Amino acid sequence: GDSVTQMEGPVTLSEEAFLTINCTYTATGYPSLFWYVQYPGEGLQLLLKATKADDKGSNKGFEATYRKETTSFHLEKGSVQVSDSAVYFCALRRSSGGGADGLTFGKGTHLIIQP
Amino acid sequence: EPEVTQTPSHQVTQMGQEVILRCVPISNHLYFYWYRQILGQKVEFLVSFYNNEISEKSEIFDDQFSVERPDGSNFTLKIRSTKLEDSAMYFCASSENSWELFFGEGSRLTVL
Repeated sequence: GDSVTQMEGPVTLSEEAFLTINCTYTATGYPSLFWYVQYPGEGLQLLLKATKADDKGSNKGFEATYRKETTSFHLEKGSVQVSDSAVYFCALRRSSGGGADGLTFGKGTHLIIQP
Repeated sequence: EPEVTQTPSHQVTQMGQEVILRCVPISNHLYFYWYRQILGQKVEFLVSFYNNEISEKSEIFDDQFSVERPDGSNFTLKIRSTKLEDSAMYFCASSENSWELFFGEGSRLTVL
């Protein structure tokens, strides 16, 4: 079945450091890929998405590129801030044409940014 | 900004008891979902709901689970006879178009 694997956390960085959170997936066909973020005390929020190979999703300085050849969707940010401290979830959905298919999530990576 | 709200935020119950978790989705959304996360594990899909019926459900969503949209605003998850392994954080989500899901803060269920 479908699965998503993320790097284990917590990941602790200093402010202004470069961030990479690895995500790889296993799925049949052409899934859509997502990164969700959960700030302390809040629900999961969509951070960015990509629906086909080589698409780059970006938002709030974060980027991720859909790499079909390596089945990866790594999250990157050039200079992190304390406010980026949160749990980040990589996810996929099998259907690319809408519908109510469920998302398959990774375990989440807890990111801690120190001032 | 509209948001998905869930109640209760934390519920403690005895094994074998029935539990109802409540969700108020964003008002113009048409797609509704329940997910759960057991501590230290992945966020797992339970069920999706559209047009007043279940669209998809996972293997986890067995006969002890049910969902309902009783009054056009609430979306509930009922667990008929809770087991220890049902202890988890349960997330409700809604979507206008099934693409971007908006999640609630979660309801933590502890089964003793």
